[in-house]
Amino acid sequence: GENVEQHPSTLSVQEGDSAVIKCTYSDSASNYFPWYKQELGKRPQLIIDIRSNVGEKKDQRIAVTLNKTAKHFSLHITETQPEDSAVYFCAALRDYKLSFGAGTTVTVRA
Amino acid sequence: DAGVTQSPTHLIKTRGQHVTLRCSPISGHKSVSWYQQVLGQGPQFIFQYYEKEERGRGNFPDRFSARQFPNYSSELNVNALLLGDSALYLCASSLGQGRGDGELFFGEGSRLTVL
Repeated sequence: GENVEQHPSTLSVQEGDSAVIKCTYSDSASNYFPWYKQELGKRPQLIIDIRSNVGEKKDQRIAVTLNKTAKHFSLHITETQPEDSAVYFCAALRDYKLSFGAGTTVTVRA
Repeated sequence: DAGVTQSPTHLIKTRGQHVTLRCSPISGHKSVSWYQQVLGQGPQFIFQYYEKEERGRGNFPDRFSARQFPNYSSELNVNALLLGDSALYLCASSLGQGRGDGELFFGEGSRLTVL
């Protein structure tokens, strides 16, 4: 089955700096790659997603890149703010199954 | 419009008991998925239903079962509870068939503690 690895597990950045989270996946048939933000005690919320036929997507301060050949995708957050502090999960979808990474705890220092 | 609603929000059970968790999808959504999230880990896929049919099953034992009703709500049942079943159980719904053709919306989850 699909195996998604996510790095780093924790990330501390100064407010205003950029944060980058990287994920790799194993199943070349995966075709949809969402990123979720989960605050403590809350539900995961979709922040951005990318499909396998697209290499890059941007939404304000958030961008995602996908390299299908290397089977890796990355989340980039620019101009980080304290409210960006949360756990971020990458995921890969094959058929009906969404496989998640282990998560990255992002802390934005004021 | 209401989001995905789950009940109960919290529950405590003892080993060997069974539990039923309920989920109501967003109105108009026909696809429902269940995920288990153990503390400190990412969600793990359990089941996916579309139009009342099971379309996908994760690597969970037969103690886990689910069904989807004609109104597209869903139940997750877990029998013979083990300590390791303690987790946040998340339900998610989507407008499409759940194959990346629509955003997945998660409920707040049901937090199960097994003592």
